[in-house]
Amino acid sequence: NAGVTQTPKFRVLKTGQSMTLLCAQDMNHEYMYWYRQDPGMGLRLIHYSVGEGTTAKGEVPDGYNVSRLKKQNFLLGLESAAPSQTSVYFCASSLVDSNNEQFFGPGTRLTVL
Amino acid sequence: GEDVEQSLFLSVREGDSSVINCTYTDSSSTYLYWYKQEPGAGLQLLTYIFSNMDMKQDQRLTVLLNKKDKHLSLRIADTQTGDSAIYFCAERAGGKLIFGQGTELSVKP
Repeated sequence: NAGVTQTPKFRVLKTGQSMTLLCAQDMNHEYMYWYRQDPGMGLRLIHYSVGEGTTAKGEVPDGYNVSRLKKQNFLLGLESAAPSQTSVYFCASSLVDSNNEQFFGPGTRLTVL
Repeated sequence: GEDVEQSLFLSVREGDSSVINCTYTDSSSTYLYWYKQEPGAGLQLLTYIFSNMDMKQDQRLTVLLNKKDKHLSLRIADTQTGDSAIYFCAERAGGKLIFGQGTELSVKP
């Protein structure tokens, strides 16, 4: 099993450009999450999904959109990138079980100039 | 709302014990977690504790939970240079996890 994979690993954007980050998991997990990690701020939840076709807002959803058309994929979109969105983005997934362990991807480092 | 706080840095000598502390606010949290992040990688679950327990031991790791004070700690015995990483405390709030800022552990030989 590959676990949770993310593409791309690195990306540099200019202000106003758009892009989509792809997360894929092969563990048949119901729940998927997108976080951003910034120095001194830990991980903050952007959006999450509790199943195929569903999405919900997390703590910092503004400027991002998501889609979960297939159970194994969770896409994060930036329609008009801003320098404040420079960050490391992590995807995670988990089963619907009692301890809710989340499995993380390796991250995408995004720089917006 | 929910909040999880950790100190940002800890430095220890190889062979010493490390203690990383965390406070949380949601008294209804059912699970509390410790995740480890090595440089350039995602987070990996180290251990977790159910809220009706006050201690959990797993090899070199000991988790202590003081539910009254909403305080969680992670003790690493015989700390090695390979333990150098960022350690995140997290509490479960509904179906989501709320993470602390992370404690960067530096182990000096």
